[in-house]
Amino acid sequence: ETGVTQSPTHLIKTRGQQVTLRCSSQSGHNTVSWYQQALGQGPQFIFQYYREEENGRGNFPPRFSGLQFPNYSSELNVNALELDDSALYLCASSDGGTTSTDTQYFGPGTRLTVL
Amino acid sequence: GQQLNQSPQSMFIQEGEDVSMNCTSSSIFNTWLWYKQDPGEGPVLLIALYKAGELTSNGRLTAQFGITRKDSFLNISASIPSDVGIYFCAGQRYGNKLVFGAGTILRVKS
Repeated sequence: ETGVTQSPTHLIKTRGQQVTLRCSSQSGHNTVSWYQQALGQGPQFIFQYYREEENGRGNFPPRFSGLQFPNYSSELNVNALELDDSALYLCASSDGGTTSTDTQYFGPGTRLTVL
Repeated sequence: GQQLNQSPQSMFIQEGEDVSMNCTSSSIFNTWLWYKQDPGEGPVLLIALYKAGELTSNGRLTAQFGITRKDSFLNISASIPSDVGIYFCAGQRYGNKLVFGAGTILRVKS
């Protein structure tokens, strides 16, 4: 059984560019959540995907969007990058859908730097 | 965004000492979790608590889900150098969204 994996590990972009981050969920998990972790802070919830549908969104603008695929892997897309988007982006998977409190397991994250 | 109040912000303790940290919220949660994060890594789950009043242990770690469902604490007994890292509490309601504290940085003197 493999854990949650994310790619790439690190990424450097310039302001105004677009970025796509990828996540493969843990085997058997159907729910993926994305979090943004700024330096020195706890992770902040961006949104969650369950069976390819967005279900739940945090306080992030529409330029943050995502997808979930039939194999439950997921992408996070950020358009029109801003300097404040520099952060560690974490993906977490779980197997419980949207009405449970099943435990979330995190990937190692993608470190995004916006110059 | 909403965050939990986690304290202390940082701790510097002697190897072998016991450690306590806690987390409070103005809102009720159905689940409390404690994660540890090492530099450059994602958070790793230490303990999950599902019931008010529950006391759960994982090796040298013990955590409790507060009876009011608005708080939790984590104790580490007999700390060792590999306990160094950042500890996060997280609260969860139905729907899987986690709300995190700001973290407690643990440094251990060997």
